[in-house]
Amino acid sequence: QKEVEQNSGPLSVPEGAIASLNCTYSDRGSQSFFWYRQYSGKSPELIMSIYSNGDKEDGRFTAQLNKASQYVSLLIRDSQPSDSATYLCAVVPTGFQKLVFGTGTRLLVSP
Amino acid sequence: DVKVTQSSRYLVKRTGEKVFLECVQDMDHENMFWYRQDPGLGLRLIYFSYDVKMKEKGDIPEGYSVSREKKERFSLILESASTNQTSMYLCASSLGGRATDTQYFGPGTRLTVL
Repeated sequence: QKEVEQNSGPLSVPEGAIASLNCTYSDRGSQSFFWYRQYSGKSPELIMSIYSNGDKEDGRFTAQLNKASQYVSLLIRDSQPSDSATYLCAVVPTGFQKLVFGTGTRLLVSP
Repeated sequence: DVKVTQSSRYLVKRTGEKVFLECVQDMDHENMFWYRQDPGLGLRLIYFSYDVKMKEKGDIPEGYSVSREKKERFSLILESASTNQTSMYLCASSLGGRATDTQYFGPGTRLTVL
């Protein structure tokens, strides 16, 4: 079982819709979770971090964490074509000082 | 703004060559990381460093070594390049000693080994 799993997609949504990206992780003791966005040909950039169960909102982005079910999700409201990118989920496993990345979900937002 | 730079965007080398990939950050960050990114495999950690002259193996260190002689510079060395090391290499840095610190990535070096 991979440590961090994401559906590779592509996830296609129309402009203005809500995009929902999901990530599951295997280490129950993980405490820190991150969402990075990567445009084609570019390097990853941090969008959100979340450490506690529940929701965390930042503009059009909401991260949701459920440690009991071991999943973390990213919601993008009012999706724009400029949101089209690959979204990487990253987790800090228990006792480690490193990030473990999922393989990413490709999001396509059509005008 | 944090700036992480990498010496080359594209590099083509021959099998058996010694390859140096350089990474420089300008924000006095303690931590520096080298990843490779391959389709379907995602980002995988090769080596990281929490301090000058200090290095730790990541998940896939075989075939690689690193050097950190100065705080701002972290080099990845392929002692004898092989075709399976063809990949995108990404350097990152973060502020302090915690894995939860935001990692800032450089633009990447796409290495092709022929």
